[in-house]
Amino acid sequence: IAGITQAPTSQILAAGRRMTLRCTQDMRHNAMYWYRQDLGLGLRLIHYSNTAGTTGKGEVPDGYSVSRANTDDFPLTLASAVPSQTSVYFCASGTPGPGAASNQPQHFGDGTRLSIL
Amino acid sequence: QQQVKQSPQSLIVQKGGISIINCAYENTAFDYFPWYQQFPGKGPALLIAIRPDVSEKKEGRFTISFNKSAKQFSLHIMDSQPGDSATYFCAATTYNFNKFYFGSGTKLNVKP
Repeated sequence: IAGITQAPTSQILAAGRRMTLRCTQDMRHNAMYWYRQDLGLGLRLIHYSNTAGTTGKGEVPDGYSVSRANTDDFPLTLASAVPSQTSVYFCASGTPGPGAASNQPQHFGDGTRLSIL
Repeated sequence: QQQVKQSPQSLIVQKGGISIINCAYENTAFDYFPWYQQFPGKGPALLIAIRPDVSEKKEGRFTISFNKSAKQFSLHIMDSQPGDSATYFCAATTYNFNKFYFGSGTKLNVKP
């Protein structure tokens, strides 16, 4: 079934450790996004990538980095985790650009639940 | 500062009733407004979306009402069913779809 695969599904991590959340899509979408979801705050964009080789900062990029070496993969790295990064992380993909209603991040993964102690 | 404000935070509706969720925005550059539905343990899924050139869009039991002058839009769920119980998010973006701004979410509980 086509879609987005996120790994791991959940993780408990000690503060100060490095962690990479993986995201792979098989829909050949140009754009990919990382969000964090926190109670009462909705989803907030961390980083995005309009196409392979390019990335951009979202609302809350500090403490996170991304790379987009190819169309399918968009890993999110926490270089040195802090407790405030405890959250549920969602990866999404879509086709950016004006016009068609299909141009949106309508495909989300099922999330990675990350707890930092 | 939250770009899109959503209310209420939670909503309880009887089966068959109408569920109404409201959102407001400030940035007049926004020109695409989707609604997402999220079930526990799952990612959000697109439900319905609207552009500001129309005042209403209906898909089955779901309707978006859009008031451009007031910078407000709302989701109406007619004949609400227990299966509609989920968290709903409104969102907004500009023409290039680079950045989506989400509301804080509304947890809907439809009582049988």
